[in-house]
Amino acid sequence: AQSVTQLDSQVPVFEEAPVELRCNYSSSVSVYLFWYVQYPNQGLQLLLKYLSGSTLVKGINGFEAEFNKSQTSFHLRKPSVHISDTAEYFCAVSITGGGNKLTFGTGTQLKVEL
Amino acid sequence: NAGVTQTPKFQVLKTGQSMTLQCAQDMNHEYMSWYRQDPGMGLRLIHYSVGAGITDQGEVPNGYNVSRSTTEDFPLRLLSAAPSQTSVYFCASSHVPGSTGNTEAFFGQGTRLTVV
Repeated sequence: AQSVTQLDSQVPVFEEAPVELRCNYSSSVSVYLFWYVQYPNQGLQLLLKYLSGSTLVKGINGFEAEFNKSQTSFHLRKPSVHISDTAEYFCAVSITGGGNKLTFGTGTQLKVEL
Repeated sequence: NAGVTQTPKFQVLKTGQSMTLQCAQDMNHEYMSWYRQDPGMGLRLIHYSVGAGITDQGEVPNGYNVSRSTTEDFPLRLLSAAPSQTSVYFCASSHVPGSTGNTEAFFGQGTRLTVV
């Protein structure tokens, strides 16, 4: 079975500073990788996804992530955060050939401060 | 385009009561699923369906039933609510991945359930 680890439960950062949210996964088969964002009292919204091809993936709101197969990581980055980026971020995987069943990490709360 | 609609948004139940959480999507997605979200545990898959008449269990199915009579609707039933089922429930839908492997899931706004 696959699993996802998000090591940081909370990440405080000042506005306009860069941020990296870490995600590591474990799977014996090939995976698809996703980052979702959840704003307070809302559902989840897809930020970006890696299916195949280029390992650097760009998403919405200026976020990007890099797939590193050797380190089994898919870290999310943004060069300059805004107060509106305050939200919870979830990394998720699904296995190729496994339909659309997503396995989520425990989430990282990003808090952007002035 | 409404996307994925969940009702109700909030619900308080007494232990032992039953209820149905509704989920409807208007994107003609074949795949629908239910997750529960608990603090510090992320989202965990309860049940899923790959099409009308086909359902299967996820990671945490105990205490929940589902059925899929139409493509649009995927209700989640709690037969006898327990305090351990206090959680936020999310419904999601997507196309079944074909050759593109595109597996983006669209989520509803969630149902916050409290069992007392």
